[in-house]
Amino acid sequence: QKEVEQNSGPLSVPEGAIASLNCTYSDRGSQSFFWYRQYSGKSPELIMSIYSNGDKEDGRFTAQLNKASQYVSLLIRDSQPSDSATYLCASIGTNAGKSTFGDGTTLTVKP
Amino acid sequence: DGGITQSPKYLFRKEGQNVTLSCEQNLNHDAMYWYRQDPGQGLRLIYYSQIVNDFQKGDIAEGYSVSREKKESFPLTVTSAQKNPTAFYLCASRTDNRGRGTEAFFGQGTRLTVV
Repeated sequence: QKEVEQNSGPLSVPEGAIASLNCTYSDRGSQSFFWYRQYSGKSPELIMSIYSNGDKEDGRFTAQLNKASQYVSLLIRDSQPSDSATYLCASIGTNAGKSTFGDGTTLTVKP
Repeated sequence: DGGITQSPKYLFRKEGQNVTLSCEQNLNHDAMYWYRQDPGQGLRLIYYSQIVNDFQKGDIAEGYSVSREKKESFPLTVTSAQKNPTAFYLCASRTDNRGRGTEAFFGQGTRLTVV
């Protein structure tokens, strides 16, 4: 079992719709979770971080964390073509020095 | 401006040759990381270092070596033992290497190709 697993994708949504990206993790000791966006050929950039159960909102982005279910999600409201990218879920587990990434979900927002 | 600088951006390696990828940060971060990314794949951890003069193997360390002689620098050597080195290599750093983690900052990456 991979430490961090994401929807395999690809995911395609029309412009203006809500895009939902999901991630599960295996290390129950994980305390920190991150969503990164990566455009093709570029390095990842941070979108959201979340540490506590519940929702965290930042503009059009909402991260949700459920530690009991070991589940993290990212919602993108009013999706724009510029949101088209690969989204990577990451966690920091029991070994606090180690960051583990999922394989990513590629999102395409169609005009 | 603070950040992470990787060089070179593109690197070509001949069969049997060792090459070194540079990673320098001026963010005063304790922890530094090297990841490998293959087309359509996520990031796989090669090596990481939480403190100067100490580093740990990640998930795919075979055929790679690192050093951490200075806090700012974490070079990665791709040795001839790495049989399939063609990939996109990303260096990252974080400020907090224990307890509650913080986000990673990435360099712009080095694209390595075997010729």
